[in-house]
Amino acid sequence: DTAVSQTPKYLVTQMGNDKSIKCEQNLGHDTMYWYKQDSKKFLKIMFSYNNKELIINETVPNRFSPKSPDKAHLNLHINSLELGDSAVYFCASTPGLAHNEQFFGPGTRLTVL
Amino acid sequence: LAKTTQPISMDSYEGQEVNITCSHNNIATNDYITWYQQFPSQGPRFIIQGYKTKVTNEVASLFIPADRKSSTLSLPRVSLSDTAVYYCLVGVGNSGNTPLVFGKGTRLSVIA
Repeated sequence: DTAVSQTPKYLVTQMGNDKSIKCEQNLGHDTMYWYKQDSKKFLKIMFSYNNKELIINETVPNRFSPKSPDKAHLNLHINSLELGDSAVYFCASTPGLAHNEQFFGPGTRLTVL
Repeated sequence: LAKTTQPISMDSYEGQEVNITCSHNNIATNDYITWYQQFPSQGPRFIIQGYKTKVTNEVASLFIPADRKSSTLSLPRVSLSDTAVYYCLVGVGNSGNTPLVFGKGTRLSVIA
């Protein structure tokens, strides 16, 4: 069983489109994260949710809107996609608020043309 | 947020022990030190975490001096499959309100 899964794995789209990336974890964790890894391989946190409540929002354009329907899911919706949004997006989860072991998903490679 | 500094890259031959040092001069009293490994096209994977002295698990050892301003990840007898990027992170162990910061990481290349 996959602990943290993301769909889709690859996403190619045109500028200006709206797209969503889904994340699910079956570990029973309370906290979930979205990270962005750009072409230079810098891995930056975007959002963090704890029990469906937003706790970290790291200076991300408001075109990005995370949604957590329940604590096992954290989806990322992106409006009006721009070229600079091209990156690999990783979802992760941890049992609680402590920065212990984070379990990462396989990533979603987003390419904006 | 404590900033970390690591070598950008390292090379090693198979079978050797590899030590990757991370500097974190501004580490706070309640910060933990965590190392992650990332293979190409995969998400980072937790390797080890420590607060002080030495921690060892089946994959690696983590050495932390008394002043905690640096730490060293030790990989015993590396193999080709250990080729990856290794990230050192420093963060609070009991609060999720402050984000962990991944640095540039160290790209380890293991050569046959």
